Amino acid sequence: DAGVIQSPRHEVTEMGQEVTLRCKPISGHNSLFWYRQTMMRGLELLIYFNNNVPIDDSGMPEDRFSAKMPNASFSTLKIQPSEPRDSAVYFCASSLILGELFFGEGSRLTVL
Amino acid sequence: AQSVTQLGSHVSVSEGALVLLRCNYSSSVPPYLFWYVQYPNQGLQLLLKYTSAATLVKGINGFEAEFKKSETSFHLTKPSAHMSDAAEYFCAVSDLLLGNTPLVFGKGTRLSVIA
Repeated sequence: DAGVIQSPRHEVTEMGQEVTLRCKPISGHNSLFWYRQTMMRGLELLIYFNNNVPIDDSGMPEDRFSAKMPNASFSTLKIQPSEPRDSAVYFCASSLILGELFFGEGSRLTVL
Repeated sequence: AQSVTQLGSHVSVSEGALVLLRCNYSSSVPPYLFWYVQYPNQGLQLLLKYTSAATLVKGINGFEAEFKKSETSFHLTKPSAHMSDAAEYFCAVSDLLLGNTPLVFGKGTRLSVIA
């Protein structure tokens, strides 16, 4: 079975540009999580969905960040406009059993 | 609020030596505890989990962890380190009794294995 698929794996963009990160969760999983990982702050939960419904977005840094899950097989995380401090690795994870997360390989974002 | 503290951001051991990675938790209700491993340029993978059954939990790759309520600890051990164990390890807690809440991860401990 395919795991969690994220794209792009690497993104380099200039400050002010829009960035869209994509995630395809494992088929049948009903929870999806977006995390951000940096050296300074570690692993931070940004937002999570249950059955395609956003449950808690209190970790989203500010209004520049938005996430959607239009159906059970696709989610996006958008940053508009992007800033250098948004540079990080963004992980998507899906889950069926509480606590057992399956992570994608991450999207490494560099904002110049 | 629940949280975990991992003692030591970096641990270095010799190949064949005991691996001990420390994790202490804080939770107002019985916690569910997890260890995840992250290899370079990859996402996290579940190593093992404690969900109030046996206090000694065995995971993949020869790792195990023991839940000690009196010490609020969930340390990860492996009797003999292998070069392939070099990675970052994360302890995590979830308060599932409160419903579907996501994991709270510790800061991570980087394990280096010296030949």
